[in-house]
Amino acid sequence: QSALTQPRSVSGSPGQSVTISCTGTSSDVGGYNYVSWYQQHPGKAPKLMIYDVSKRPSGVPDRFSGSKSGNTASLTISGLQAEDEADYYCCSYAGSYVFGGGTKLTVL
Amino acid sequence: QVQLVQSGAEVKKPGSSVKVSCKASGGTFSSYTISWVRQAPGQGLEWMGRIIPILGIANYAQKFQGRVTITADKSTSTAYMELSSLRSEDTAVYYCARGGSSSFHWFDPWGQGTLVTVSS
Repeated sequence: QSALTQPRSVSGSPGQSVTISCTGTSSDVGGYNYVSWYQQHPGKAPKLMIYDVSKRPSGVPDRFSGSKSGNTASLTISGLQAEDEADYYCCSYAGSYVFGGGTKLTVL
Repeated sequence: QVQLVQSGAEVKKPGSSVKVSCKASGGTFSSYTISWVRQAPGQGLEWMGRIIPILGIANYAQKFQGRVTITADKSTSTAYMELSSLRSEDTAVYYCARGGSSSFHWFDPWGQGTLVTVSS
């Protein structure tokens, strides 16, 4: 399985919205509603932000939202805050699990 | 509240094996799946495999088949990941995480990670 495709970096100013895409195939992203998103700060373990495409775990701000269209999933962060600056990874079930290459979010 | 605590950093020689532990507290260990995910320096995340402690059944990513063994000890609520025939490319942080099953196709929470360095 090939890794899912994410942009290497995105950026936005405080208060703005950004969207991170995650492109796969009909064998992973497009075939199942089992996409999850993780936030990782430097030197820290990943943290679950979105699961099952668009569900938000308890404690995750509603500024974070997920969606999917065809073979591409998206994570949208609205009202950007400084603490959102981190790496973000998507993951899809595909019989096993495949991750994206990660996107570095910079808050300007 | 499930918490996962992993064993400490390891330095290994090429060709040797490493065994990393992941001790769970909170929740019912046998009832959930534990997955192992690794992250090479500056790289992304890579799923290695999982175990369902209540069944003692492990599944592995094709890339690691034959080199990785994931086990679980229900009496101590501890999962283990052993990787053999180590090479320099196996240098990475290894994480355990709850999830990766038909009930939970996501990973939460994660252990703190264990750095494994493979060097001669």
